[in-house]
Amino acid sequence: QQQVKQSPQSLIVQKGGISIINCAYENTAFDYFPWYQQFPGKGPALLIAIRPDVSEKKEGRFTISFNKSAKQFSLHIMDSQPGDSATYFCAASRAGSQGNLIFGKGTKLSVKP
Amino acid sequence: EADIYQTPRYLVIGTGKKITLECSQTMGHDKMYWYQQDPGMELHLIHYSYGVNSTEKGDLSSESTVSRIRTEHFPLTLESARPSHTSQYLCATTGWTLGNTIYFGEGSWLTVV
Repeated sequence: QQQVKQSPQSLIVQKGGISIINCAYENTAFDYFPWYQQFPGKGPALLIAIRPDVSEKKEGRFTISFNKSAKQFSLHIMDSQPGDSATYFCAASRAGSQGNLIFGKGTKLSVKP
Repeated sequence: EADIYQTPRYLVIGTGKKITLECSQTMGHDKMYWYQQDPGMELHLIHYSYGVNSTEKGDLSSESTVSRIRTEHFPLTLESARPSHTSQYLCATTGWTLGNTIYFGEGSWLTVV
C-alpha cells in the first residue's frame, strides 16, 4: 500500500508557465511534508516543506498548498524555467520521526524554452 | 547545506563480492539514514541510526547491514553482492544545526554484474 501518492508521473510545461504537482496521503499521523528536487546523478535537495498548521507556504517561485481535510498537498512552481527541469518528490513523516520519510514516486518535470 | 560525504560515488563489482559504502558527516549529528533508490523511482528507507551503537531497519527490507561506531560515520555493507543490489544508495542526516531537516549526500551508484 502506497502511503504517499504523487501525480502526475511526468509533466511538460512551457517556460514562464505554472507547474503543479499533487500528492495525497492516508496516514493522519503525518505532520511534516517536504518537497525534494533531484537532478540526474545527484542526491535529492530539500526545496520547501510545510506542517499541517498552515495551509500555504511560499518561498520565492515555489509554493506548497496544504489541505488537511482532504489529506492533499501540492507544489506550485511559478514562472517555470528550463533550470527547474528535474524530478520532484513529495514526502511525509510522522511526528518524532522526521528523517523516516515516506516518498512519493516522483514527477519528472521538463520545462521547454 | 549539509556536509555529507559518500564514497565511492560509482562502483561496478562482480557477484559475490563484499562491498562497503562509506558515509560521513562533519556536523556531529546523531541521526543518520540510508535510502535506496532505483533509477527513476522513489526513495525507500533501508536503515537508520539515532546515535552511536544504535541501528534500526527501515521500511524496505534490505540484505545490507550498517554500523554506527562513531558519530560521524555510518557505513553500509553488503557481504555478498548480487545483481538485484544494483541501485543508488543515498546517505542522509539531520540534526539541530539543520533545523531538524533531513539532507542527503550525493549518493553511491552500485552496479553488480
